Amino acid sequence: QSALTQPRSVSGSPGQSVTISCTGTSSDVGGYDYVSWYQQHPDKAPRVMIYDVTKRPSGVPDRFSGSRSGSTASLTISGLKAEDEADYYCSSYAGSYTWVFGGGTKLTVL
Amino acid sequence: QVQLQESGPGLVKPSETLSLTCAVSGFSISSNYYWGWIRQPPGKGLEWIGSFFHGRGTYYNPSLKSRVTILQDTSKNHLSLKLSSVTAADTAVYYCVALNFYVVFWGQGTMVTVSS
Repeated sequence: QSALTQPRSVSGSPGQSVTISCTGTSSDVGGYDYVSWYQQHPDKAPRVMIYDVTKRPSGVPDRFSGSRSGSTASLTISGLKAEDEADYYCSSYAGSYTWVFGGGTKLTVL
Repeated sequence: QVQLQESGPGLVKPSETLSLTCAVSGFSISSNYYWGWIRQPPGKGLEWIGSFFHGRGTYYNPSLKSRVTILQDTSKNHLSLKLSSVTAADTAVYYCVALNFYVVFWGQGTMVTVSS
């Protein structure tokens, strides 16, 4: 079970769109419809932003969207706001009731 | 409203056993979710430690399996984590969580430092 691969950092200006990738294998991201994304502000617990690859929990702005192609999942944030600056983590179910996370991506809003 | 509250020593000596408890309120650990633990070393990413689904089994991260035990106490509606033979690499914030193929609920987290 290896960690999923995310870029260490991405950045964008207010109003722009950014996409964060999350690469796994056919044993996790590519094999199950259970990819999720979490936002974490400093010294706070993470918060789910996307689950089941594309679903958005109530209360999450529709500026956040998820997708997947093969074994790479993506989180897209459109209309960037200063409050979106945070760390973002992807996660996937990996079979046999185990889960794996990505290493995290720091989003900077310029 | 579901609340998860972790508790336990904030400092553990190397080679000893880390023990944490999570008190759950607002939901029974006997139903619906996988309950377990996730940790985050300072400045690093998240790592799933293990989870159970009442009546089905307990599952562990293969990299930690030899050192981890997660127990459930349905009479108190809480779960516990034991991690043996700790080293500095086990220093982290430990989160109690409820999962439904994604983390639905998080505790606030508790920092555990491994140091002599």
